Amino acid sequence: GAVVSQHPSWVICKSGTSVKIECRSLDFQATTMFWYRQFPKQSLMLMATSNEGSKATYEQGVEKDKFLINHASLTLSTLTVTSAHPEDSSFYICSARVFGAANTEAFFGQGTRLTVV
Amino acid sequence: RKEVEQDPGPFNVPEGATVAFNCTYSNSASQSFFWYRQDCRKEPKLLMSVYSSGNEDGRFTAQLNRASQYISLLIRDSKLSDSATYLCVVTLPLSDYKLSFGAGTTVTVRA
Repeated sequence: GAVVSQHPSWVICKSGTSVKIECRSLDFQATTMFWYRQFPKQSLMLMATSNEGSKATYEQGVEKDKFLINHASLTLSTLTVTSAHPEDSSFYICSARVFGAANTEAFFGQGTRLTVV
Repeated sequence: RKEVEQDPGPFNVPEGATVAFNCTYSNSASQSFFWYRQDCRKEPKLLMSVYSSGNEDGRFTAQLNRASQYISLLIRDSKLSDSATYLCVVTLPLSDYKLSFGAGTTVTVRA
């Protein structure tokens, strides 16, 4: 099946710094990727939809200036957490689906565990 | 009201037991339904799609009840390796195939 690779798998950073997370589709072209955040014992919450060649669509309550998304190619989307704070510590996961079919599987990256100290 | 709600469990069952749990969704126009499995600190992985007529995959059986807006998952002959969190996932209508996740039901199978 399709593979989505996410990097890094974990990162620890100091408050105030920025962290970039990469999400790559390895064997298919992903015109749309999704970025989620998951806090312990909670569901995955959609943060934004990343569209190749255009601006990302953010969910209500997600600050677009804090969570910068770039989807410059059909195989790569990046999420940059700017000026990270301890409350941004979470599990961030990207996913991609074969666009055009509602009932197809979503493929997830391995996730990035971010800890801000 | 949350879009997708699940009993968080945990369901603690012995090997070989049958365990079943439900998930309810709030939007009657929801289009597609899935069960994903998530192991601790890992990404979700598709367990099975849920079809209107119900479907079975080995020891796993999924059912969809549109009238009552719930889906169910039944695991027969539980194995230790079935221990995980099971996520109910729904595709919202007219949403570019966005997925809405439940918080998960934790199942622990003991020897």
